[in-house]
Amino acid sequence: KAGVTQTPRYLIKTRGQQVTLSCSPISGHRSVSWYQQTPGQGLQFLFEYFSETQRNKGNFPGRFSGRQFSNSRSEMNVSTLELGDSALYLCASSLDAGGNTEAFFGQGTRLTVV
Amino acid sequence: GENVEQHPSTLSVQEGDSAVIKCTYSDSASNYFPWYKQELGKRPQLIIDIRSNVGEKKDQRIAVTLNKTAKHFSLHITETQPEDSAVYFCAAVWGYNKLIFGAGTRLAVHP
Repeated sequence: KAGVTQTPRYLIKTRGQQVTLSCSPISGHRSVSWYQQTPGQGLQFLFEYFSETQRNKGNFPGRFSGRQFSNSRSEMNVSTLELGDSALYLCASSLDAGGNTEAFFGQGTRLTVV
Repeated sequence: GENVEQHPSTLSVQEGDSAVIKCTYSDSASNYFPWYKQELGKRPQLIIDIRSNVGEKKDQRIAVTLNKTAKHFSLHITETQPEDSAVYFCAAVWGYNKLIFGAGTRLAVHP
């Protein structure tokens, strides 16, 4: 059974540009969450999607957005990139809708903004 | 608000010793508390979790305890080995699959 797959693995972008990251969950998992990991702020929750609906959102500016498709694959978009957006972006998939089951992480996309 | 505090931030032990990491959480967390291990350059891996209907759970050398009244939970690793060296994160869940993580504990196990 394939794990959570994130693409691309690495990205270098320039300030002001936008970027789209992709996440394919484990087969059968319908909940996808996104996290930002930085050395200073640790692992921070961005948002969560289930059945194409955003159910939870973290404390990030509106430049961060996401969506989920009918096959449960999810994308997140960051517009008008800033240097501080440089981070490892992780997605996690879960089987259950209720928040009480295991979340499995992808390998992440390392975004560098220059 | 939604918050998880984790201590210590770094922990250094000799091989064979035990290691304990403690976390506390704020109100209204759900009933699920996972622990993740993250090795350098790798994804966080779930190593053990506990639900509020149990007070302790063990899996070989790893155990987790939960005290819902006091709002704290702990990870215990016995007979540590060099391959246990990693960053460990505790987490609590708010709402639907919203994991709030502690700041992490960097564990170093010295041979």
